[in-house]
Amino acid sequence: GQSLEQPSEVTAVEGAIVQINCTYQTSGFYGLSWYQQHDGGAPTFLSYNALDGLEETGRFSSFLSRSDSYGYLLLQELQMKDSASYFCAVRDDKLIFGAGTRLAVHP
Amino acid sequence: DAGVTQSPTHLIKTRGQQVTLRCSPISGHKSVSWYQQVLGQGPQFIFQYYEKEERGRGNFPDRFSARQFPNYSSELNVNALLLGDSALYLCASSPWTSGAETQYFGPGTRLLVL
Repeated sequence: GQSLEQPSEVTAVEGAIVQINCTYQTSGFYGLSWYQQHDGGAPTFLSYNALDGLEETGRFSSFLSRSDSYGYLLLQELQMKDSASYFCAVRDDKLIFGAGTRLAVHP
Repeated sequence: DAGVTQSPTHLIKTRGQQVTLRCSPISGHKSVSWYQQVLGQGPQFIFQYYEKEERGRGNFPDRFSARQFPNYSSELNVNALLLGDSALYLCASSPWTSGAETQYFGPGTRLLVL
């Protein structure tokens, strides 16, 4: 079967760094994406990794290890507005989303 | 530039009814995908259309159907509604059908089946 595993909840304080892990098991793989979704909002694209390594976009970075079927999203200098759900998603012949990680940032 | 738009924003139906949801992609985007998101879960892929042809279908019953029009807008139809069809239905567009694509999501249609 196809599955993506990510923690259901993560809590952190403003200014801290948090890492959200994602392991996947899919029949095909083109790349790993990360999306952010605020309550009541639509998912918005954060990053995409097709090759092994780290991709950095401002305060957010994403990592992929294809041999380990593993990736993570790293959020630095956390702000209150980063409180949201974060989804990893694998592209094979379709986009498959994980169940999401709810991040709560506290003062 | 306008983002992905969906209509209606909210909808209440009763079991057994039929519903049609509409989506307009970002200008220039030829690929439209539909997703179902149940509360507390990630979006689940229903359909992808590219250049008016179905390019992918998720694990949903035949009660779900979709089409894409020459202007690349799309409709999702659900027949014989069940209580379990209550969800947020998301439409996403992208410039192409595969590869390192970014999906641009619309605000969704929140469907409640009573």
